[in-house]
Amino acid sequence: GDSVTQMEGPVTLSEEAFLTINCTYTATGYPSLFWYVQYPGEGLQLLLKATKADDKGSNKGFEATYRKETTSFHLEKGSVQVSDSAVYFCALSHSGNTGKLIFGQGTTLQVKP
Amino acid sequence: DVKVTQSSRYLVKRTGEKVFLECVQDMDHENMFWYRQDPGLGLRLIYFSYDVKMKEKGDIPEGYSVSREKKERFSLILESASTNQTSMYLCASRPTSSTDTQYFGPGTRLTVL
Repeated sequence: GDSVTQMEGPVTLSEEAFLTINCTYTATGYPSLFWYVQYPGEGLQLLLKATKADDKGSNKGFEATYRKETTSFHLEKGSVQVSDSAVYFCALSHSGNTGKLIFGQGTTLQVKP
Repeated sequence: DVKVTQSSRYLVKRTGEKVFLECVQDMDHENMFWYRQDPGLGLRLIYFSYDVKMKEKGDIPEGYSVSREKKERFSLILESASTNQTSMYLCASRPTSSTDTQYFGPGTRLTVL
C-alpha cells in the first residue's frame, strides 16, 4: 500500500541555519503531496502542496519539489527562525482513496536563538 | 476562513466508559475524517465520511465507531474506552476534490485511566 517515510527527528538548528527535512513516498499512480505543520498545542495546518511531478510548492520561505524519479518531496528553508519550531508532517493523497491523507511519522524541529 | 472545531481540548475518562468526541465544520465540506496522533507513528486514519450517513473504515477502526447525521458534524465514539486509546484525536474536513486541502481542528487530548 501507499506509504510516506520522513527523516527521524528531532532536528535542532540555530537561527538562520539551512533546513532540509527528507520525505520519500511509495504510491501507485500520481498522488498529490503535502507538507503540514503543527505548532505547539495546535492542530495541523497546510504548509504547502504539489499536485504533479516537478511542481514546486512554497509558502513562508519553505519550498518542496515533487520529484517523481526519486519519489521524494523534501522540505527546505534557507534561514530558519525560532518561530519555525514545530512538528512537520509529509503526506500524500491518492485519488483512489477518497482523498484520505497518508502521513509520515512527523519530524520535530527545534530552532535555538 | 474555514473553521473546524472539536468539543473538548482535554478529556479524562475511565476504562469502560463510553466516550463521544464531536467535530463541527462550517464550510459545507462533504468529506470529514478522524485521525489519531501518536508519537513516532504520525497520524493514522480511524474513519472517514464522504457524505451524510456515509462512513468508511480507515486504517485503525477497531474499538471505534462514527456518526454523521448532519453534514457539518462528525462524531467519533469509543464504545468502551481502554487505556490504549489514550491519544490525541484530530478531526479534519475537505471538499470533494482529492487535491484539496484538509482542514484540521485543534485536537482533543484524551486520557483513559
